[in-house]
Amino acid sequence: EVQLVESGGGLGKPGGSLRLSCAASGFNFSSYIMNWVRQTPGKGLEWVSSITSSGRYIYYADSVKGRFSISRDNAQNSLHLQMNSLRAEDTAVYYCANTGGFGDLNYWGQGTLVTVSS
Amino acid sequence: EVVLTQSPGTLSLSPGERATLSCRASQSISSNYLAWYQQKPGQAPRLLIYAVSSRATGIPDRFSGSGSGTDFTLTISRLEPEDFAVYYCQQYGSSLRGTFGQGTKVEIK
Repeated sequence: EVQLVESGGGLGKPGGSLRLSCAASGFNFSSYIMNWVRQTPGKGLEWVSSITSSGRYIYYADSVKGRFSISRDNAQNSLHLQMNSLRAEDTAVYYCANTGGFGDLNYWGQGTLVTVSS
Repeated sequence: EVVLTQSPGTLSLSPGERATLSCRASQSISSNYLAWYQQKPGQAPRLLIYAVSSRATGIPDRFSGSGSGTDFTLTISRLEPEDFAVYYCQQYGSSLRGTFGQGTKVEIK
């Protein structure tokens, strides 16, 4: 069974940092592009960041570029998102998900809530 | 950036009725990289349809996807009580980037 389990969310202060992690199991993690997607309370979905299977290529949404950093550890089957210079507008549920063969996100974690507030 | 516009924003229907949800792209989507998701309150989105018209594992055949170019449709042939939810379309382009539509809520009339 495929499982993606996020952790690391919580309350962060404006200008502060948080590090999210996603533990993967049940599939060949090292073969998949992995992603972070966020959803603001009561609103829609935003594609935040992606990383190729080897980690060679990375994408960031303009809204987080220069502040967030995605990484992966294929030996540990884990994905990370280092979130620096947090802003109130970063408040959201953050999901990790893997990319299927047609750019679809075929498995999602349960999400971790990040709240940025002083 | 490809912008996806979903319509209607809300669809009010009764169980057993047919639901037709639209997703229009600001430019043509190549390589059939168009997917649909269902999300219920408090849950993560669930993949329904990938590559425009292929059902994901375990998805009932009352869900179908169609379309090409800039116009795509998700059809639920006969609504079951568990189908009342929010539905999102998503496209995947170059540079690992994807975008989502704003969602269509299917509610009980």
